[in-house]
Amino acid sequence: KAGVTQTPRYLIKTRGQQVTLSCSPISGHRSVSWYQQTPGQGLQFLFEYFSETQRNKGNFPGRFSGRQFSNSRSEMNVSTLELGDSALYLCASSYDRADTQYFGPGTRLTVL
Amino acid sequence: AQSVTQPDIHITVSEGASLELRCNYSYGATPYLFWYVQSPGQGLQLLLKYFSGDTLVQGIKGFEAEFKRSQSSFNLRKPSVHWSDAAEYFCAVNRGSTLGRLYFGRGTQLTVWP
Repeated sequence: KAGVTQTPRYLIKTRGQQVTLSCSPISGHRSVSWYQQTPGQGLQFLFEYFSETQRNKGNFPGRFSGRQFSNSRSEMNVSTLELGDSALYLCASSYDRADTQYFGPGTRLTVL
Repeated sequence: AQSVTQPDIHITVSEGASLELRCNYSYGATPYLFWYVQSPGQGLQLLLKYFSGDTLVQGIKGFEAEFKRSQSSFNLRKPSVHWSDAAEYFCAVNRGSTLGRLYFGRGTQLTVWP
């Protein structure tokens, strides 16, 4: 089976712009979770989607949003980018919500 | 309060030496427990997991971990480290009350000397 894929792998944006990141889960997996990784804060949970519904949300501002499609693919969007949004954004998929999460390679976002 | 604690930020070992990375969690019930490894610029790779049953679990690359309920610990071990094991290691838990969400420790950076 193919693993979790994330596109694009690298992004450079400027402050105030918005960005959309995409995640394709492992075939058959129904849950997708997103995490932000920075040197200062470590790995922080953004949100989790299951059956096209957001089931869990971390402590991030409303500028961070996401959605899941009927084929379980997921996107996350960040509006009005700030310098502090520069990070590695990781997507993980699992068959069920309590199951093991498998991670993609991440999208490296740089905000200038 | 930190839910998952990895007390060692950086560990250096010689190739061939044994390794133990510590992880403690602070939940009342036994959560699902995981160890992941991350190489520079990469995503997280699952090393092993504990859901229930035998408290000593085997993983990939010769790693094992032992769950100790009395100590709320899930320490990762390897009897003989290889240079290719140099990476960052993360302990994570999945609490029953917040399915779909992993809580991570801050990670332990492993350096291997030849």
